[in-house]
Amino acid sequence: GESVGLHLPTLSVQEGDNSIINCAYSNSASDYFIWYKQESGKGPQFIIDIRSNMDKRQGQRVTVLLNKTVKHLSLQIAATQPGDSAVYFCAERMAYSGGGADGLTFGKGTHLIIQP
Amino acid sequence: KAGVTQTPRYLIKTRGQQVTLSCSPISGHRSVSWYQQTPGQGLQFLFEYFSETQRNKGNFPGRFSGRQFSNSRSEMNVSTLELGDSALYLCASSRGKSNTGELFFGEGSRLTVL
Repeated sequence: GESVGLHLPTLSVQEGDNSIINCAYSNSASDYFIWYKQESGKGPQFIIDIRSNMDKRQGQRVTVLLNKTVKHLSLQIAATQPGDSAVYFCAERMAYSGGGADGLTFGKGTHLIIQP
Repeated sequence: KAGVTQTPRYLIKTRGQQVTLSCSPISGHRSVSWYQQTPGQGLQFLFEYFSETQRNKGNFPGRFSGRQFSNSRSEMNVSTLELGDSALYLCASSRGKSNTGELFFGEGSRLTVL
């Protein structure tokens, strides 16, 4: 079946550097993409989302880029801090006519490790 | 504003038993979704409830069931437990309005099946 995947299971960066976490998706019918952060022992926490009619969206220290041509999604974290250490998941949702929180398809996750 | 509350946080069961997990969504949220998280399969969608109706269902056997009450609280049940059901079960709530997909997750119920 179709699924969302990530390129790297682990990413190690120096504190203060920018981090880029990548995600490839295969379902061209997906219309909505989300990045979640999961710290150890906690549930996933929403970071930022983007709809398929956009190619870039910025938040506080984070930017999501969507390239529909190659079905690629990335999360950029500026000036990485120790508190950014977590597992990051991308998720996609197929075009849904009913609204609400439809079932999301999650990638396997990338563990971001911050080195001092 | 209280977040999503899941109980119990940890539990241990043996094969063949059944388990019920509870989820209280954020006040005002009418949609509750359930996910199973395992190291091997990652996060997998179980089902979603909105206004006491199951609106969507993932690819899990019939041993997995759920329901939602009039106050939006939800429970999920797993019957005839198998070793492979050991996982973190996550509940997420949202307002349920159209064009919003932000889910607020609880901290999960960690189930161990022996």
